[in-house]
Amino acid sequence: SQTIHQWPATLVQPVGSPLSLECTVEGTSNPNLYWYRQAAGRGLQLLFYSVGIGQISSEVPQNLSASRPQDRQFILSSKKLLLSDSGFYLCAWSVMGNTIYFGEGSWLTVV
Amino acid sequence: QKEVEQNSGPLSVPEGAIASLNCTYSDRGSQSFFWYRQYSGKSPELIMFIYSNGDKEDGRFTAQLNKASQYVSLLIRDSQPSDSATYLCAVNFMNRDDKIIFGKGTRLHILP
Repeated sequence: SQTIHQWPATLVQPVGSPLSLECTVEGTSNPNLYWYRQAAGRGLQLLFYSVGIGQISSEVPQNLSASRPQDRQFILSSKKLLLSDSGFYLCAWSVMGNTIYFGEGSWLTVV
Repeated sequence: QKEVEQNSGPLSVPEGAIASLNCTYSDRGSQSFFWYRQYSGKSPELIMFIYSNGDKEDGRFTAQLNKASQYVSLLIRDSQPSDSATYLCAVNFMNRDDKIIFGKGTRLHILP
């Protein structure tokens, strides 16, 4: 069966510090991968999605970036965090663009 | 019109009653519809999905589609306190390269 792991689960970072969130999927090949953000009281915002290694599409221009160095690995990064980057970050996967399955999520607080 | 729209709630339903959640979508070509449940502080989990060819029942949950009016609903029978959560509707958008777009969710509160 397929599983998705995301880490770290929580982190508190100062403004201007870098960020790296990682996600891996097991039990499937060539998945579509996604990064979402959910700010307090708001809906899911799609940040990035990837249909293959090195193929990244950005939905919203911002100070975040994503990379897919391996088929089942997806990384969300920032060089300098802003207060507005605080939120709940979710990695997700799907096959053939169908049902999306989410990881456990990462709570980011920028102080 | 928003792409996927849900009433934010909260929707309060007595325990044991039927909870009815609705979602409207803007793309007439949409083929796949999903319902997720999200407990506070947790990630969304898939409850069920339906395709444009019909409704679906799974235990206490029933998903219904009205293509003519472009809305999809989720019925929860015999509501339990553990059903209290935010319910997210998601729809694939053919006119957006088949992307799956999420609504902002409806908060459901089951009253004991």
